[in-house]
Amino acid sequence: DGGITQSPKYLFRKEGQNVTLSCEQNLNHDAMYWYRQDPGQGLRLIYYSQIVNDFQKGDIAEGYSVSREKKESFPLTVTSAQKNPTAFYLCASSKSFGGVFSPLHFGNGTRLTVT
Amino acid sequence: LAKTTQPISMDSYEGQEVNITCSHNNIATNDYITWYQQFPSQGPRFIIQGYKTKVTNEVASLFIPADRKSSTLSLPRVSLSDTAVYYCLVYTGGGNKLTFGTGTQLKVEL
Repeated sequence: DGGITQSPKYLFRKEGQNVTLSCEQNLNHDAMYWYRQDPGQGLRLIYYSQIVNDFQKGDIAEGYSVSREKKESFPLTVTSAQKNPTAFYLCASSKSFGGVFSPLHFGNGTRLTVT
Repeated sequence: LAKTTQPISMDSYEGQEVNITCSHNNIATNDYITWYQQFPSQGPRFIIQGYKTKVTNEVASLFIPADRKSSTLSLPRVSLSDTAVYYCLVYTGGGNKLTFGTGTQLKVEL
């Protein structure tokens, strides 16, 4: 079955360390996204990518970086510059970004705890 | 950018119909409205999408008035398993950003 895989499910890091969250999709979708969710809050867009080798900043990109070297992969790096990195991170994909909107398919998230 | 507003929470009982309204005053001509459902510690799941008037699928209906400044998700005969957060998403094509609203926590009781 096609879907989005995020790994690991739980991640613990010490303050000051960079950490990379994995996101892989086998849906053959062109567009991919990273969202952040804090307890009791909605989803805030970090970065998105419409096609391979292209990505754009979302609403809260500071302290994060991404790459899109392959269509199926969109890893997110949380850098030491991110002031409050502890959160639930969600990756999503959609068939296309522009034109007729296609629904987002989400992974089951990575819960990052930084101490 | 289209900004959406939803009630923070709603309570209901099993078997009742639940209507959740989302306000999106700045919706653009080509924007679609999509609703998602999220359970704790999971990613959101697509429920329904529409552009105008009414859309119905096997789990919900979506009502969009002519001015498209709001939309209402209707869940018929809810059960305990419908307890979740429901998000309204308006695709802001002009800004190329997919901004979720604050979400509505629906709690269904016996």
